[in-house]
Formats: sequence, structure tokens, C-alpha cells
Amino acid sequence: EIVLTQSPATLSLSPGERATLSCRASQSVGKYLAWYQQKPGQAPRLLIYNASNRATGSPARFSGSGSGTDFTLTISSLEPEDFAVYYCQQRSNWPLTFGPGTKVDIK
Amino acid sequence: EAQLVESGGGLVQPGGSLRLSCAASGFAFSNYSMVWVRQTPGKGLEWISYISSSSATIFYADSVKGRFTISRDNAKNSLFLQMNSLRAEDTAVYYCARRYYDFDYWGQGTLVTVSS
Repeated sequence: EIVLTQSPATLSLSPGERATLSCRASQSVGKYLAWYQQKPGQAPRLLIYNASNRATGSPARFSGSGSGTDFTLTISSLEPEDFAVYYCQQRSNWPLTFGPGTKVDIK
Repeated sequence: EAQLVESGGGLVQPGGSLRLSCAASGFAFSNYSMVWVRQTPGKGLEWISYISSSSATIFYADSVKGRFTISRDNAKNSLFLQMNSLRAEDTAVYYCARRYYDFDYWGQGTLVTVSS
């Protein structure tokens, strides 16, 4: 099973600041890495697929990069609605696995 | 727009059974593979089952293999999860999701509580 590790666990930032979230895989997943955003009481929402492709409706301030084992989600300038938990997920190997999440909260 | 609505959750005793349903609308359900993902209170997300568009390919997580059964009825635009031999650790919010590359549409989730 591919284990995904996310860092940091919590990121405390102010609106307008840049957020950089990391996801590391225990073995290569190629480009098959996705990012989701989840707000309290809501289902996750797909932001990025194939490591760097924005999903439909995902704002341009969200960008993804990386391949192999190291991936990054960047939010260029935090909006109030961006404070949430972010999960990475791989589809390179079964079982499909998620990372433990990074909480982005207001400083 | 695509919409997924889960139902069937509730309180069940350990060892009991429950059947979850997911009603799909707004897209050609029969063309897409589907998954069930659960989220335990205060914890993260866990993929538990996958079914291809034609039901020809099915996968399960080890944590539910032999106890849960995924199925679908393309004529009724519906996805199902039959859960048997339920345990306390199966307590979670269960989501159905459409798989296109990754999970691009999710339902709102249904809560399953396993407790005596």
C-alpha cells in the first residue's frame, strides 16, 4: 500500500498570504496525484488531478506541481473561503489512498 | 450538473447489516466508474470500494473485503453498498463519488453508527 504523508499538519496563515502544502508518497505514483479541499460538514471537493491539472471550477489561485514521490499544492493568495483541510490522494496503485490532511487555518 | 445523493445510513448493532444507496442524476451514470469512500469522526478519508461502469471490475479495501459488497443498477442510476458483519470501527460518514481520473463529484454523505 502506498502511504501518503502530508506536511505540515496545520498551516496558520493570514488572508492574502501564499500557502504551500506538501504531499510525499512512500513510492512513486508518477503523476497520478490529486488534491481535495474539505470544509466542515461538507464532502471533499476535487481541486487538482494528475498532479497539476485544475479541476472544473477550481480557481486559478490553486496550482499543483510534482511527480514521482514529491508533490506540492500552492494557493497563491489565500481567500477567506480557502481556510479548510486539504487532502492528497493517489490512484497509481490499488488500494487508492489518501494522505492525513493539512489544515489551513486563520492566523 | 452531476448530483449524488446517499441514503440508508443509521444506527446498527455490532454484527448487523445495512445497505447504502446512492442515487445519481445529471450525468450518464452508466459511463462512469464509481467508488465508496468513508470518513471516520475526526479522522481522514478512506477509500473502501470501486466498481467499473459495467460492474466487470470490482475492488475492495482489505478493511472491508469479505464483509461489504458493492453493486450498481445502471437502469436505475443507482449505486449500492451492502455492509454485513458491521464493527464499531465501521462507524463513519460514507460517501459515494464518481470516478473520472479522480473523484470529481461526491454525495453529501450518510452517517453509519455501529454501536450497541
